[in-house]
Amino acid sequence: GESVGLHLPTLSVQEGDNSIINCAYSNSASDYFIWYKQESGKGPQFIIDIRSNMDKRQGQRVTVLLNKTVKHLSLQIAATQPGDSAVYFCAENGGSNTGNQFYFGTGTSLTVIP
Amino acid sequence: DAMVIQNPRYQVTQFGKPVTLSCSQTLNHNVMYWYQQKSSQAPKLLFHYYDKDFNNEADTPDNFQSRRPNTSFCFLDIRSPGLGDAAMYLCATSGQGLGSPLHFGNGTRLTVT
Repeated sequence: GESVGLHLPTLSVQEGDNSIINCAYSNSASDYFIWYKQESGKGPQFIIDIRSNMDKRQGQRVTVLLNKTVKHLSLQIAATQPGDSAVYFCAENGGSNTGNQFYFGTGTSLTVIP
Repeated sequence: DAMVIQNPRYQVTQFGKPVTLSCSQTLNHNVMYWYQQKSSQAPKLLFHYYDKDFNNEADTPDNFQSRRPNTSFCFLDIRSPGLGDAAMYLCATSGQGLGSPLHFGNGTRLTVT
């Protein structure tokens, strides 16, 4: 499988602060990236995605940044809330020549301190 | 709501006793996936179906098999479960084009005794 890794396994932030979660990927052919949130006992939940022809995409309170030069992806969460506490995974598709496979990074556990 | 449904949520099997996990979808997606997720780890892709075409990952053990009888259903068969196969098994679907994200079910947690 592909190698997709995260820099930090755990992150603690104060409620109301901004959170930044980072991800490095190894396959330069990857052209589609997704961030997922996973709460305990549940399946991963889609947060935001980005295609390789973009370097930034914004959603509600979340922003994904893509730096293809250094193969780095980040997820920014604005005004972090207790409900944001979860494990966050990045996933990449390995490039269109690998079909529809999605490979996941290690994950970062985010804890929001009230 | 369109969704991915996995049954059962919890499954207990004995060492070496075959077990089947089920997944159904109402999204009418072409692609269905099975992932294995062990505690505190990332989901690991086992295989996926693109319509009826089966695509196995190179490092998926032969002990794991899958069936997709129609668009809506996909099954994961573990022929001889070992203690190391205890995990959460996640089913996901996606559309066929670039930019189609994965949609996950809530998983089946398998315990092997």
